[in-house]
Amino acid sequence: QKEVEQDPGPLSVPEGAIVSLNCTYSNSAFQYFMWYRQYSRKGPELLMYTYSSGNKEDGRFTAQVDKSSKYISLFIRDSQPSDSATYLCAMSRGTGNKLTFGGGTRVLVKP
Amino acid sequence: DTAVSQTPKYLVTQMGNDKSIKCEQNLGHDTMYWYKQDSKKFLKIMFSYNNKELIINETVPNRFSPKSPDKAHLNLHINSLELGDSAVYFCATSKGSTDTQYFGPGTRLTVL
Repeated sequence: QKEVEQDPGPLSVPEGAIVSLNCTYSNSAFQYFMWYRQYSRKGPELLMYTYSSGNKEDGRFTAQVDKSSKYISLFIRDSQPSDSATYLCAMSRGTGNKLTFGGGTRVLVKP
Repeated sequence: DTAVSQTPKYLVTQMGNDKSIKCEQNLGHDTMYWYKQDSKKFLKIMFSYNNKELIINETVPNRFSPKSPDKAHLNLHINSLELGDSAVYFCATSKGSTDTQYFGPGTRLTVL
């Protein structure tokens, strides 16, 4: 079993819908949680960064962390075709520690 | 100006060859990383350097040897290439001990 599990998708939604993504993990020592977006044939780019449990909002993006359930989520409101990409969750035990990535979920937003 | 750049972008080579991939960053970051992303998009760290010093060395065959000539560069040399080495290799950087990592565009390696 991988340390971080993520449904590979693809997740197909119509334009304007809410995209809901999630990851589960097994290592309770993880404290820092990130979401990266990766377009085809490009490097991952950081979208959201959260510490410990709670919610964080940035524009159309909301990240949630539930450490008690070892479950993190990313919501994308008013989705656009330009949001079509692979979304990778990542987490670490602390600053300076290595990142452990999920396998990514491919999202397709259809116009 | 590209923050993290990698060369080459594509590399096609025969089994058994030795090849190098280069990474350069102009962000002034202290820490640089090499990741391997397989065909299933799984991104796995290989090495990490902080101020030219190796700090993370995951279970990687010793055919892979990183080298950091200075803080702005981290190269990856691969000896005796195997079919299973085919993947996209990403360089990333971060400032000190923070976890915000910035990725390069990747080098797509194909071993025939």
